Amino acid sequence: QVQLVQSGAEVKKPGASVRVSCKASGFMFSTYYMHWVRQAPGQGLEWMGIINLGSGSPSYAQKFRGRVTMTRDKSTSTVYMDLGGLTFEDTAVYSCARGEPIMRGGYGVDVWGQGTTVTVSS
Amino acid sequence: DVVMTQSPLSLPVTLGQPASISCRSSQDLGHTDGDTHLNWFQQLPGQSPRRLIYKVSNRDSGVPDRFSGSGSGTDFALRISKVEAEDVGIYYCMQGTHWPPSFGQGTKLEIK
Repeated sequence: QVQLVQSGAEVKKPGASVRVSCKASGFMFSTYYMHWVRQAPGQGLEWMGIINLGSGSPSYAQKFRGRVTMTRDKSTSTVYMDLGGLTFEDTAVYSCARGEPIMRGGYGVDVWGQGTTVTVSS
Repeated sequence: DVVMTQSPLSLPVTLGQPASISCRSSQDLGHTDGDTHLNWFQQLPGQSPRRLIYKVSNRDSGVPDRFSGSGSGTDFALRISKVEAEDVGIYYCMQGTHWPPSFGQGTKLEIK
């Protein structure tokens, strides 16, 4: 079955960077998109960006451009999300979520990773 | 960007009674591929979101048939025919038709 397993919790200082990984299994990796979504404590879901797992081409939400980088490693079926210039407002649970097959239309998601808590604290 | 507006934001329901959540989009969600990319997610306390409904009205595998989705254009709804205790959580709509994808604010379902 489709599984997305994310890396463990992180604690970072303001101004630092964080990398969250998402290891995929149970589907043909290169034929899908992968999204990243975050959820601050007690808040709703905020979409961050998407990466084409075939070409590796990412697209980011305007809010995060210049601070976020999404990459993938086809050899290990792993997706990475790097977020730099962390502030206290970046404290959140970061999740990967599988998107649509590349050959189909739309930007929906189906299966989610378990989430990675990133805490920004001085 | 497309704004997704859910109502109500809080939904107290008696066990066994029906519940309905509305989701309105600021643009028509009909895609050029012929589909309408409106999904519903359930987030139980302490868990990651789980997709319940895709493309307006299609239930995901394993989702109880008490959950149903309907709507078109800019107006959509998630209905639970008879609420059970295990349904307590937050429900989100998401549009995947227009760039960038966007979520509703979430509706918190609780038992009265």
